[in-house]
Amino acid sequence: EAGVTQFPSHSVIEKGQTVTLRCDPISGHDNLYWYRRVMGKEIKFLLHFVKESKQDESGMPNNRFLAERTGGTYSTLKVQPAELEDSGVYFCASSQTDRSSGANVLTFGAGSRLTVL
Amino acid sequence: AQSVAQPEDQVNVAEGNPLTVKCTYSVSGNPYLFWYVQYPNRGLQFLLKYITGDNLVKGSYGFEAEFNKSQTSFHLKKPSALVSDSALYFCAVRDRAREGSARQLTFGSGTQLTVLP
Repeated sequence: EAGVTQFPSHSVIEKGQTVTLRCDPISGHDNLYWYRRVMGKEIKFLLHFVKESKQDESGMPNNRFLAERTGGTYSTLKVQPAELEDSGVYFCASSQTDRSSGANVLTFGAGSRLTVL
Repeated sequence: AQSVAQPEDQVNVAEGNPLTVKCTYSVSGNPYLFWYVQYPNRGLQFLLKYITGDNLVKGSYGFEAEFNKSQTSFHLKKPSALVSDSALYFCAVRDRAREGSARQLTFGSGTQLTVLP
């Protein structure tokens, strides 16, 4: 079974530019999550898709961030325009939906490291 | 709000010695608790979780963790450390009683474990 795949693994852009991160979840996983780790701090929740719908986007920092999951398969996270404080590692994770959703184990990708200069 | 504290940024231990990585949590209800590990250039990998029942949870690679409700702790332990255990360890909590954004996983800031040969 293929895992969660993220692309690119590393992106270096200048302030004001646009970057799009992509996540391919495990096939059949309805739940897709984006998380971010900034400057060695805690990993923070950004948003949660169930299929193509945004279930919870309370962690999105501002309107410069746009996430999509068209067709309920892969997802993209666009940052436009990027700021210095957006630098960090962006993790994508997916999980199946079951009754004990609170105890669901998330499968994470390797992350996309974003550096904004 | 739910939170996780990992008080040690770095833990060093000699190979063959027991290791402990500390984690304390705060939730308004009862918790689901998780440990994940990140090896270099890899995604977070699930180690173990506490749902209910026995306070001592056994996981992958010989790791275990003990849920202590009175101390709100979920320390990760291993009786005999290996050099290959060197990695970044994250504790996470989810409040099983809450809905919406409070149902998302909240992570600690991570503890870098280095096992010295």
